[in-house]
Amino acid sequence: TQLLEQSPQFLSIQEGENLTVYCNSSSVFSSLQWYRQEPGEGPVLLVTVVTGGEVKKLKRLTFQFGDARKDSSLHITAAQPGDTGLYLCAGGENTNAGKSTFGDGTTLTVKP
Amino acid sequence: KAGVTQTPRYLIKTRGQQVTLSCSPISGHRSVSWYQQTPGQGLQFLFEYFSETQRNKGNFPGRFSGRQFSNSRSEMNVSTLELGDSALYLCASSTGTWNTEAFFGQGTRLTVV
Repeated sequence: TQLLEQSPQFLSIQEGENLTVYCNSSSVFSSLQWYRQEPGEGPVLLVTVVTGGEVKKLKRLTFQFGDARKDSSLHITAAQPGDTGLYLCAGGENTNAGKSTFGDGTTLTVKP
Repeated sequence: KAGVTQTPRYLIKTRGQQVTLSCSPISGHRSVSWYQQTPGQGLQFLFEYFSETQRNKGNFPGRFSGRQFSNSRSEMNVSTLELGDSALYLCASSTGTWNTEAFFGQGTRLTVV
């Protein structure tokens, strides 16, 4: 069974600060997705990375896939209250095209 | 392009009853995956259906079952409900091919009393 560990579990920061969330595994994933979820709603896909070492930017969010495709990070620059939510990483398994493994998530609170 | 639609949004059931949840995927998507989300366990994979066949299955008891129809719509059924089944049930739609992106519905909040 492939597992994904996210850290930190909780993060509370002031508006304007920078932060990084990590997603680590001992297993190799064929792809990795980052989602953001608000209470009572479904996760919303932010990005998919598939190539080791790949870096993708989405406005103030920067996503990186590790060279060995075992880990990923999400960096937010100048966080805003609207960034508040649960951030989830999910890894696509090498042997099952239709199955993803999710991390436990990082709950981010950005205070104005 | 319409997103993933889950019905109903909220449901209250009594212990011992059964429940059926519905998921309509994005048009053209052939894969539907179901997840259970609880505060203590996070997102747990239930099963995935692709072209009307269950392709992957998580570690849930047989009380949890599902099916997929020819139009790719999927239903999930939970029989003999237990208090611990209270959760947000999410379905995800994708093309079902390698490294495909999954898009989630808003979920069904099930409360068992």
